[in-house]
Amino acid sequence: KQEVTQIPAALSVPEGENLVLNCSFTDSAIYNLQWFRQDPGKGLTSLLLIQSSQREQTSGRLNASLDKSSGRSTLYIAASQPGDSATYLCAVRYSNYQLIWGAGTKLIIKP
Amino acid sequence: EAGVTQFPSHSVIEKGQTVTLRCDPISGHDNLYWYRRVMGKEIKFLLHFVKESKQDESGMPNNRFLAERTGGTYSTLKVQPAELEDSGVYFCASSSTMVRGRAGETQYFGPGTRLLVL
Repeated sequence: KQEVTQIPAALSVPEGENLVLNCSFTDSAIYNLQWFRQDPGKGLTSLLLIQSSQREQTSGRLNASLDKSSGRSTLYIAASQPGDSATYLCAVRYSNYQLIWGAGTKLIIKP
Repeated sequence: EAGVTQFPSHSVIEKGQTVTLRCDPISGHDNLYWYRRVMGKEIKFLLHFVKESKQDESGMPNNRFLAERTGGTYSTLKVQPAELEDSGVYFCASSSTMVRGRAGETQYFGPGTRLLVL
């Protein structure tokens, strides 16, 4: 069964710290992996997409890595800011177009 | 360019009633997806349209759910009759079509419809 797990479920850190969010998936035959952000009461915003052939993707202070063989991805946030507070979701796509989702990590950045 | 829009943003109905959710994808996107998140659970795939055709409806929970995309533009998702366990957030997403008919990689999501069945 294809499952995606995100650890931790919640994380609270002081502003300015670097942090890592984790995502693991049970079936390594992925097509791609996406990290999303969801703000309370809002929709889902795609942050980064990593193809199965890639090792990492970067966008500003965000860096996502992918290790297909071990079934893991990490989202690294540098110099965190209060505006980064949100729920971060990891979603994996296999050969069809369905996205298999993790439960998310709720991130709080304390000023 | 407008993003994916969904209507209504919230809906509160009683068990046994009917509710219809609407999704307008990004203009020109042939691929449209429905997902939902019930309380405390992960987001789950419901179905995928390519233009007006259902490409994959393996995630539809039961025959109380009916999705349509007449004309290949906007889509509706009808729940009839609604049950308590149908409460949650229903997301719609769309993606473009790449060469050779493959769906675009990035799915763009709408804000969701929050459904509460009492």
